[in-house]
Formats: sequence, structure tokens, C-alpha cells
Amino acid sequence: AQSVAQPEDQVNVAEGNPLTVKCTYSVSGNPYLFWYVQYPNRGLQFLLKYITGDNLVKGSYGFEAEFNKSQTSFHLKKPSALVSDSALYFCAVRDILKAAGNKLTFGGGTRVLVKP
Amino acid sequence: KAGVTQTPRYLIKTRGQQVTLSCSPISGHRSVSWYQQTPGQGLQFLFEYFSETQRNKGNFPGRFSGRQFSNSRSEMNVSTLELGDSALYLCASSLGGQGNYEQYFGPGTRLTVT
Repeated sequence: AQSVAQPEDQVNVAEGNPLTVKCTYSVSGNPYLFWYVQYPNRGLQFLLKYITGDNLVKGSYGFEAEFNKSQTSFHLKKPSALVSDSALYFCAVRDILKAAGNKLTFGGGTRVLVKP
Repeated sequence: KAGVTQTPRYLIKTRGQQVTLSCSPISGHRSVSWYQQTPGQGLQFLFEYFSETQRNKGNFPGRFSGRQFSNSRSEMNVSTLELGDSALYLCASSLGGQGNYEQYFGPGTRLTVT
């Protein structure tokens, strides 16, 4: 079975400071990993994904994430946070088994609050 | 390209009734997945349809069902509604295939069961 953990319910950061949102995963095989962001009363917006290749993945809006296989982690980072980055962030994993199709398992979400 | 659209956006139903939600994927996308989002359980996978066939199913009771049409549009149905079915139902579309494609989500349908 696949699972995702986001250990922090909320992250507070001052505008202009680095932002990190943590994610660890558990799969039986190799993972496909995704980050999504959700603004109030909206669906989820895709930020970035790790499929294979470089461990550092760059995505939308200046976000990046680092895949660490030994630590089974996929932390989301942004060098300089903006107030507009305040939202709910979800990490998701898909086990690379054909039978699994497009089923994503999501973490519980981390609320990010960026203060001016 | 138009994004994923879901109708209706808001719905209020009474316990025991049934409801049908609709999802139109991004043009060219063949996979449609449905998720339920609640404050207590978070985001949970309901089922996925690919080329009109259910490819995967989550751990939900048989009251939850879905289908996909030849134009990739999908509907999900919930029969005999319970108070606990109140949630945001999200539809996501993807090019399909091997799951290495990202999913694009619609704005959701907010279902309230009274």
C-alpha cells in the first residue's frame, strides 16, 4: 500500500524568507511524486512532479522540490515566499504499477501562511 | 484550452436522496478520476475511468458509482445519501496512460446533505 505523510499541519513564514513544506512517502516500488496547491473554494492546481531523472525538480511559480530516495522524502521549497503563496499544499504519490492507473494517494495537507 | 469543468458547483440534498455529478475533462484527456475531500478524511480516491472503463476503485461503498462516456465526460452517482457524504467532490483529468502524467483538477462540486 502507498502512503504519504505531511508532518506539519501549518507552516508560518515571513514574506521574503525561504519556504519548505515537508513530505515523506511509502510505496512498494518506485514512486511518481506530485505537489498540488489549493486556494480557498478552488480545486487543486498542479505545481510539479518527479517521475525520474534529476532529484531536483523545478515547477510553477518558483517552486521546486527535492527527491531523496534514501530518506523517502519529497520536500517542496521556494527560495523567497510571497503573501500570495498562502494556501493549502498537498503532496501525492503514485506507485509505478500499471494496475494502479492514475490513482493518487494524498498527504493530509499543509497550510502555509506567509506574513507580510 | 478550457480546463476541467464540473457541474453543478453547489448542491444541497436530503438524506436518502440520490445525486449525479458531472465532469468534463480537458480536451484530449482520456482519464478521469474522482476524489472526495472532507476536513476529517482529507482527499480520498473514489475511482478512475479510462476509455469508458473503470480502471481503479477506492474504498467506498457501492452507493458510489460512476461512468464515462465516449467523449470522456464522466458522471458520478451517489445513491441513498448519508450525512457523511457531505464533501467537496473533485474531478481530475489526465492524458491517461501510465500515470506519469499530472492530473488537472476541476473546481469541485460542494455537496451538502441535510
